Amino acid sequence: EDQVTQSPEALRLQEGESSSLNCSYTVSGLRGLFWYRQDPGKGPEFLFTLYSAGEEKEKERLKATLTKKESFLHITAPKPEDSATYLCAVQAHFSGGYNKLIFGAGTRLAVHP
Amino acid sequence: DAGVTQSPTHLIKTRGQQVTLRCSPKSGHDTVSWYQQALGQGPQFIFQYYEEEERQRGNFPDRFSGHQFPNYSSELNVNALLLGDSALYLCASSRNEKLFFGSGTQLSVL
Repeated sequence: EDQVTQSPEALRLQEGESSSLNCSYTVSGLRGLFWYRQDPGKGPEFLFTLYSAGEEKEKERLKATLTKKESFLHITAPKPEDSATYLCAVQAHFSGGYNKLIFGAGTRLAVHP
Repeated sequence: DAGVTQSPTHLIKTRGQQVTLRCSPKSGHDTVSWYQQALGQGPQFIFQYYEEEERQRGNFPDRFSGHQFPNYSSELNVNALLLGDSALYLCASSRNEKLFFGSGTQLSVL
């Protein structure tokens, strides 16, 4: 069964303290791995899509990487406005071409000044 | 360009009642998916609509049903509400593999 596990569940950082969030997955043929940011009471906001092992993408202080079994979201010198829940999701290759996403439970990040 | 819009934003119902949630997709998107997000959990796939037909369904009972209209907007209907149906219901639209989400409807069942 396709599954996504994120760790840690919650992370507290001081402003400027870099860290990484982990997303481990098992899927019957990975079509794509997605990272989303979600603020309280809001819908998920798209950050990155990764398609193959070794791929990396960057956006401001965020960098996402992908291996055959996991993905990391690296946060460099975070600011308080980076506080949010970060969701990882996978799309299976043999899903009939449909883009159903399987989400992890997320990592709640709090960045303190 | 308006993104994905959902209505209402909040809703309170009692057990056994029925509810209808609405979604307008992002301009140019023809596919609408619905997800349920319980507190502290990731979104769970309910179903997806394309060309006015349900083309994929997650592990949800038949109490959950939907519809897509010719203008690509969509409705989610839930019958015989249970306390456990309390959650944030998210609509996502897409034209390819990238999903754009609305802000959701927060449903509370008392």
